[in-house]
Amino acid sequence: DQQVKQNSPSLSVQEGRISILNCDYTNSMFDYFLWYKKYPAEGPTFLISISSIKDKNEDGRFTVFLNKSAKHLSLHIVPSQPGDSAVYYCAASFVFGNEKLTFGTGTRLTIIP
Amino acid sequence: ETGVTQTPRHLVMGMTNKKSLKCEQHLGHNAMYWYKQSAKKPLELMFVYNFKEQTENNSVPSRFSPECPNSSHLFLHLHTLQPEDSALYLCASSQDVNSNQPQHFGDGTRLSIL
Repeated sequence: DQQVKQNSPSLSVQEGRISILNCDYTNSMFDYFLWYKKYPAEGPTFLISISSIKDKNEDGRFTVFLNKSAKHLSLHIVPSQPGDSAVYYCAASFVFGNEKLTFGTGTRLTIIP
Repeated sequence: ETGVTQTPRHLVMGMTNKKSLKCEQHLGHNAMYWYKQSAKKPLELMFVYNFKEQTENNSVPSRFSPECPNSSHLFLHLHTLQPEDSALYLCASSQDVNSNQPQHFGDGTRLSIL
């Protein structure tokens, strides 16, 4: 039973436009959410996170929104750049830290020049 | 340049072989993790070590045997593997398991079982 779901396996966005990646979760005990970015032949790298006490966290071009009632989070990238082309993973953990990160299956983002 | 180094990057082995995967982190972290990523599946947590003590074994078959001699090194010993064990094996580290500081990942070992 997959507790973290990324229902869009792929997404293509024009350079300069906004990219929106979505993630849904089923376990209401999740308290901390993260986005990781992965290039081919490399390990995932941390991008941005959000605690359940917030509904928005922003870092430069990246903003994560959390809707706890809908058990939904999204990652907005604006403006999108060619270097943003990668696989993006949503992950969730419980209140006591990141001992048990649960990952989604990822969304492959392609930025079209 | 990654602070978490995994070797080898690629490994092909037969089902009767014994091999080991190595992970080393230079970040001063105290927690280390092994993950498995099969094709089109999410990363699955296998083992967690915190200050050299194993704190999590996520129902992993005994043909996978982890070893953490110190906080900087983590091994995954492999023996009598099955074809379905072919996957990308990722190591990660973090400050400790109770920290919300993110995990840092290595580039993985691509394992193929013949």
